Amino acid sequence: ETGVTQSPTHLIKTRGQQVTLRCSSQSGHNTVSWYQQALGQGPQFIFQYYREEENGRGNFPPRFSGLQFPNYSSELNVNALELDDSALYLCASSPPGGREETQYFGPGTRLLVL
Amino acid sequence: SQQGEEDPQALSIQEGENATMNCSYKTSINNLQWYRQNSGRGLVHLILIRSNEREKHSGRLRVTLDTSKKSSSLLITASRAADTASYFCALLGGSEKLVFGKGMKLTVNP
Repeated sequence: ETGVTQSPTHLIKTRGQQVTLRCSSQSGHNTVSWYQQALGQGPQFIFQYYREEENGRGNFPPRFSGLQFPNYSSELNVNALELDDSALYLCASSPPGGREETQYFGPGTRLLVL
Repeated sequence: SQQGEEDPQALSIQEGENATMNCSYKTSINNLQWYRQNSGRGLVHLILIRSNEREKHSGRLRVTLDTSKKSSSLLITASRAADTASYFCALLGGSEKLVFGKGMKLTVNP
């Protein structure tokens, strides 16, 4: 098990609502990345935060936004939920270092949008 | 697209047999990583191979990388039922962000 935790584990929302997912990174890790994994697919990169600043973004609309706090924990916010937002949301942290550092994943939050 | 493509998409073997899975890609990379995922849970990093490396070992895992053919293979020797999972290759290229393939499902029958 990695030291990355996510909450909640499961969530059910209705279309149009807003959701906030939380991630606590592994101790000493200052970079957090968020991924969306649809059923039967690989994780898709949403964005990354480094020292509280967004450090790269994938092909996701602006209604996906995030925050990183001074303790390096992070939030993913999704506004105006759509049915296709139903997925497993994974966060991953990585330690200070070069771009070749591997990522340590949390168990994920499974979001269902009805 | 920078996305890697795993092959085969599914593999079923008996315990004790070796499992080989391949990953092909189209762009240049800095490194290639393999991850395992059990039943829709979080991913676990298995092994990383850099673009200037050709082969690495970690326990029962052996990964090779052929940058001229833009392909990598992951070999799991003496498989166990606990190896049953989905396996993903992930590429780190110029964008410096990991790009995952769609994954392959390995089933190891007791």
